[in-house]
Amino acid sequence: DSGVTQTPKHLITATGQRVTLRCSPRSGDLSVYWYQQSLDQGLQFLIQYYNGEERAKGNILERFSAQQFPDLHSELNLSSLELGDSALYFCASSVEFKGSPLHFGNGTRLTVT
Amino acid sequence: AQRVTQPEKLLSVFKGAPVELKCNYSYSGSPELFWYVQYSRQRLQLLLRHISRESIKGFTADLNKGETSFHLKKPFAQEEDSAMYYCALYGGATNKLIFGTGTLLAVQP
Repeated sequence: DSGVTQTPKHLITATGQRVTLRCSPRSGDLSVYWYQQSLDQGLQFLIQYYNGEERAKGNILERFSAQQFPDLHSELNLSSLELGDSALYFCASSVEFKGSPLHFGNGTRLTVT
Repeated sequence: AQRVTQPEKLLSVFKGAPVELKCNYSYSGSPELFWYVQYSRQRLQLLLRHISRESIKGFTADLNKGETSFHLKKPFAQEEDSAMYYCALYGGATNKLIFGTGTLLAVQP
């Protein structure tokens, strides 16, 4: 399966800690998107990269950062974790960075205790 | 501001009944609208986009710029249509794809 791959599937950690979520885009896709899905807020856009460069930023907290590497995989770093950061974090990829359909991963479920 | 509103969290219909999932948007420029669907235990996936003007699995959606709406419709619901549906708006000026909060469609037998 050459679809979008996200690791890990589940992550449980304590408040104040730092975690890294990883995403490998679909083969051939250059753009990577990160979304946060909380229980009552739907899919919140965090950030988008295209071919290694940041292209768009949403409501991403300063405690969060991301990057896209030369091999096009992306990492989302979440630091000084709070209980409210518990959510499902989705990665998606697309061919281009302007309006192309997105292909989603299965998500990483983060639980902060 | 770029915003997508899906007013219904849950829509329950009987098999064979017509379905309309509402989506309203706010965007000052020329929008691109999408519907994404997530079936149980599956990934979120694209259902249709307004520029394609096609029907997928019997669903259609027409962009109404006057009413700033992009409602998803199907004349006869099937049980396999039960899923979470998300409306999304891409803004060329912002380069962001923003999703609504989603509507859970439950088709009863």
